[in-house]
Amino acid sequence: AAGVIQSPRHLIKEKRETATLKCYPIPRHDTVYWYQQGPGQDPQFLISFYEKMQSDKGSIPDRFSAQQFSDYHSELNMSSLELGDSALYFCASSFQLAVYQETQYFGPGTRLLVL
Amino acid sequence: KNQVEQSPQSLIILEGKNCTLQCNYTVSPFSNLRWYKQDTGRGPVSLTIMTFSENTKSNGRYTATLDADTKQSSLHITASQLSDSASYICVVSAYSRGGGADGLTFGKGTHLIIQP
Repeated sequence: AAGVIQSPRHLIKEKRETATLKCYPIPRHDTVYWYQQGPGQDPQFLISFYEKMQSDKGSIPDRFSAQQFSDYHSELNMSSLELGDSALYFCASSFQLAVYQETQYFGPGTRLLVL
Repeated sequence: KNQVEQSPQSLIILEGKNCTLQCNYTVSPFSNLRWYKQDTGRGPVSLTIMTFSENTKSNGRYTATLDADTKQSSLHITASQLSDSASYICVVSAYSRGGGADGLTFGKGTHLIIQP
């Protein structure tokens, strides 16, 4: 079965550079979530999109932006990278059948290292 | 292939009742197992984390158990409240060189609904 695809799997950037992470949800899924997980920490919710519209916003820095495209894939754009942005970035997709009946399928993550 | 299977997929119970959620895993080499509570559209909230040597851990009305031999874990919720309605996700970590994106395996979650 198809799973959530994230690219790239690994990324190395320098401070003040920009990075773009991509997430391809499972076919027919209409919701995408982005999470950031620092070393030894729980995943932190960043932002979510439902039907290409932002549905919820968590602890996403102003330097980050994201969008969901017409084909439902999503991109997380990160600018003016800081050392503290080094983390695992997970994307999850779901199909919102009903409240409390949503299953999130997580991608393998993108490991970002900022030098 | 590392896998985490959760059961039941969904559960509806009356307020005040107890319930137990199950998690079976085939992750190797095992590092730790976490239970998360997640409301729709929000980030997961960690309930418990257990390593190989721990077989039970409590957090208020939540009690998690771990049997590393059978590779099973359970999350027991006592005296359920309406606010317990959420998805409960089991996440198992494997040791990986330097801790990489392959180190976490997520279960699909159990959807719990508490009815008044």
